[in-house]
Amino acid sequence: DIQMTQSPSTLSASVGDRVTITCRASQSISAWLAWYQQRPGKAPKLLIYDASTLESGVPSRFSGSGSGTEFTLTISSLQPDDFATYYCQQYNTFWTFGQGTKVEIK
Amino acid sequence: QVQLVQSGAEVKKPGASVKVSCQASGYTFTDYFIHWVRQVPGQGLDWMGWINPNNGHTKYAQKFQGRVTMTRDTSISTAYMKLSRLRSDDTAIYYCARVVGGLDSWGQGTLVTVSS
Repeated sequence: DIQMTQSPSTLSASVGDRVTITCRASQSISAWLAWYQQRPGKAPKLLIYDASTLESGVPSRFSGSGSGTEFTLTISSLQPDDFATYYCQQYNTFWTFGQGTKVEIK
Repeated sequence: QVQLVQSGAEVKKPGASVKVSCQASGYTFTDYFIHWVRQVPGQGLDWMGWINPNNGHTKYAQKFQGRVTMTRDTSISTAYMKLSRLRSDDTAIYYCARVVGGLDSWGQGTLVTVSS
């Protein structure tokens, strides 16, 4: 099974900060990676797929990069709505989620 | 607009089975795979498997093999996920989701509680 490891597990930041979350795969997954945002009590929301393609309707402050085994999700200027938990997911072989990164208010 | 509406919360005893439904609307049901993902309250997301509504083909995560069955009824645009031999650690919210790129549309989730 492909393991996905996110870092950090928790991140404290302020409105306006630039935030970066990293996701590492245990083996190469090419660019078969998605990022999701989940707010408490809600279903996850797709932000990015194919590592860097922004889902329709998602603000442009979100961006994704990487290929192979290392990927990043960047929020260029953190907004109040962005305090949530973020998950990466690979879909190269079966599907696997990372353990999540909680973005908290500093 | 695209909607996935799931069946309501369930309470089951250990050893029983549960079947969760996911009715799709706003698009052609047979055009996109449906995945099932579960989330133990307060924990992360766990992928369970997928079904191709066009032909009924399925693929399941290793950890659920032998206990999970995914089916569909194209006449009512509904996918189903049945989990058997329930244990207390199967208590979770179960989501269905459609694949377009990533999982672009999700059901509201169904809480399944396993308790004696």
